[in-house]
Amino acid sequence: DTEVTQTPKHLVMGMTNKKSLKCEQHMGHRAMYWYKQKAKKPPELMFVYSYEKLSINESVPSRFSPECPNSSLLNLHLHALQPEDSALYLCASSQPTSGRSNEQFFGPGTRLTVL
Amino acid sequence: QKEVEQNSGPLSVPEGAIASLNCTYSDRVSQSFFWYRQYSGKSPELIMSIYSNGDKEDGRFTAQLNKASQYVSLLIRDSQPSDSATYLCAVTGGSYIPTFGRGTSLIVHP
Repeated sequence: DTEVTQTPKHLVMGMTNKKSLKCEQHMGHRAMYWYKQKAKKPPELMFVYSYEKLSINESVPSRFSPECPNSSLLNLHLHALQPEDSALYLCASSQPTSGRSNEQFFGPGTRLTVL
Repeated sequence: QKEVEQNSGPLSVPEGAIASLNCTYSDRVSQSFFWYRQYSGKSPELIMSIYSNGDKEDGRFTAQLNKASQYVSLLIRDSQPSDSATYLCAVTGGSYIPTFGRGTSLIVHP
């Protein structure tokens, strides 16, 4: 099973709303990632969790707050977003190894629109 | 600064032709190399992984790796309109976290 699931598929929120994106994988991967992707651009790394600990935060504004409740789940809490935060938010997972077997698999993404 | 370079395209090929997509990388300690296909509005899908110099074939796809010249390529034989997508090259080295290229847009016209 190489599936990463994400909910919701689409999200429209106002700038004062609080919402959460959810991601789940059952591949036994111990690294999980959040990416932001704008149209015609490559995925832009936001956060990396390794063994449920935050290992990378790519200077992401505090209105984005990640959480890794266990080895299978990853959340992204959103608060006071701006219209420019509208994008496709991608979750991915892999093994945290630098050699082979570190293939990264993506979920289907959440299309976020901030009004 | 690790860099992965791809020509953004678009690369336009006729149906049935071979599409050749190229990627160069700057970090000499890079170990793992991946090709993803991304349809418009969808998420990236892993289609090939390659770790050793040489060719690796999977169906109509062939990945080629040359570590001495620091490039990796993807060949798509018998290209179909359904292959029209953006192809992302990703590379990992000392870290397990991949560096992505900007992607090459491929258009296969009937």
